[in-house]
Amino acid sequence: DAGVTQSPTHLIKTRGQHVTLRCSPISGHKSVSWYQQVLGQGPQFIFQYYEKEERGRGNFPDRFSARQFPNYSSELNVNALLLGDSALYLCASSLWETDTQYFGPGTRLTVL
Amino acid sequence: EDKVVQSPLSLVVHEGDTVTLNCSYEVTNFRSLLWYKQEKKAPTFLFMLTSSGIEKKSGRLSSILDKKELFSILNITATQTGDSAVYLCAVPLGGSNYKLTFGKGTLLTVNP
Repeated sequence: DAGVTQSPTHLIKTRGQHVTLRCSPISGHKSVSWYQQVLGQGPQFIFQYYEKEERGRGNFPDRFSARQFPNYSSELNVNALLLGDSALYLCASSLWETDTQYFGPGTRLTVL
Repeated sequence: EDKVVQSPLSLVVHEGDTVTLNCSYEVTNFRSLLWYKQEKKAPTFLFMLTSSGIEKKSGRLSSILDKKELFSILNITATQTGDSAVYLCAVPLGGSNYKLTFGKGTLLTVNP
């Protein structure tokens, strides 16, 4: 069975631009979460979506937004990119009723 | 404030050594504690612990939780170079089943 997939693998943007990252969950998983991981730190929670509704949001500015589609895939959008947004963006999927989240390979975003 | 603290932050050992990684936590409405291994990008799920004193084991890896003292340990016996990775500990925030809060991780390097 395919695991969590993310695209693109790498992305280079300049300050002020916007970016869209995509995630497909494991088949049967209806919950998708997004995390940001900067070098030397553990992943930090950004959003969680379940059944196409936002169920939780971390301490991130409104420049960050996300949505989930009827097939449970998800997009993370970041507007007005800052240098500090450079990070590995991880998507995780899970069954709603369990705590275990399974992570995708991530998208490495570099903002110049 | 909910927090997860891992120690040591880095560790260098020789093949065949046994290592113990530590994770202490302070969260409200504790549900579970999860261990992940991160080699290049995607954190890979290792264990989920919910009850004190019960050891979870998978091959050379094992983990145990102490809910009274609020910590968990991850043991790796007979280490191999393939065990080199960052080991992450995570706890769902505030009774949720999705907002994982991660420690900074322990970087384990196993030399031949």
